[in-house]
Amino acid sequence: QKEVEQNSGPLSVPEGAIASLNCTYSDRGSQSFFWYRQYSGKSPELIMFIYSNGDKEDGRFTAQLNKASQYVSLLIRDSQPSDSATYLCAVNKGGGSNYKLTFGKGTLLTVNP
Amino acid sequence: DADVTQTPRNRITKTGKRIMLECSQTKGHDRMYWYRQDPGLGLRLIYYSFDVKDINKGEISDGYSVSRQAQAKFSLSLESAIPNQTALYFCATSDSRGSDTQYFGPGTRLTVL
Repeated sequence: QKEVEQNSGPLSVPEGAIASLNCTYSDRGSQSFFWYRQYSGKSPELIMFIYSNGDKEDGRFTAQLNKASQYVSLLIRDSQPSDSATYLCAVNKGGGSNYKLTFGKGTLLTVNP
Repeated sequence: DADVTQTPRNRITKTGKRIMLECSQTKGHDRMYWYRQDPGLGLRLIYYSFDVKDINKGEISDGYSVSRQAQAKFSLSLESAIPNQTALYFCATSDSRGSDTQYFGPGTRLTVL
């Protein structure tokens, strides 16, 4: 089983809809979870991170974490064409000297006007 | 000015040449990372450094070496470049005293002929 798995997409949604991006991870000891957005040829930009079970909202973005199911998701409300990008899920296994991220391969999102 | 800079931004070189990619940051972060990104393979960690005297191999360190010249500078070297090292290379930084969120530089596109 891959450490961090994402559906590669493309996920296509109409403008104004809710886009739902999903990520599963294999290591139950994982402690923190990050979502990055990456436009083609550009560097990843942090959208948000989440540490605790439940939802975390930031503007149009909501991250959801369920550690029992080893599942983290990102919801984008009122999707805009400018949201069209690849979304990367990243998982940190632990603190201290083991603190480094494992990335999924990303989900390509297309928002159609 | 950008917080994390990478030089060069684009480089074309020939097989067997020695190449150095440089990363500088003004964020005051203690941790620095080098990743490569290939289509379909996602971001993979090459090396990481938690401080000037701490260098660690990532998952794909073969064929690469690094130098942490100062807290703000982290260089990646390809001792003898080969075509399968053609990729997009990213430097990232994080602050262990904060959320340890990783912030990425703009990337270097390297082509080895």
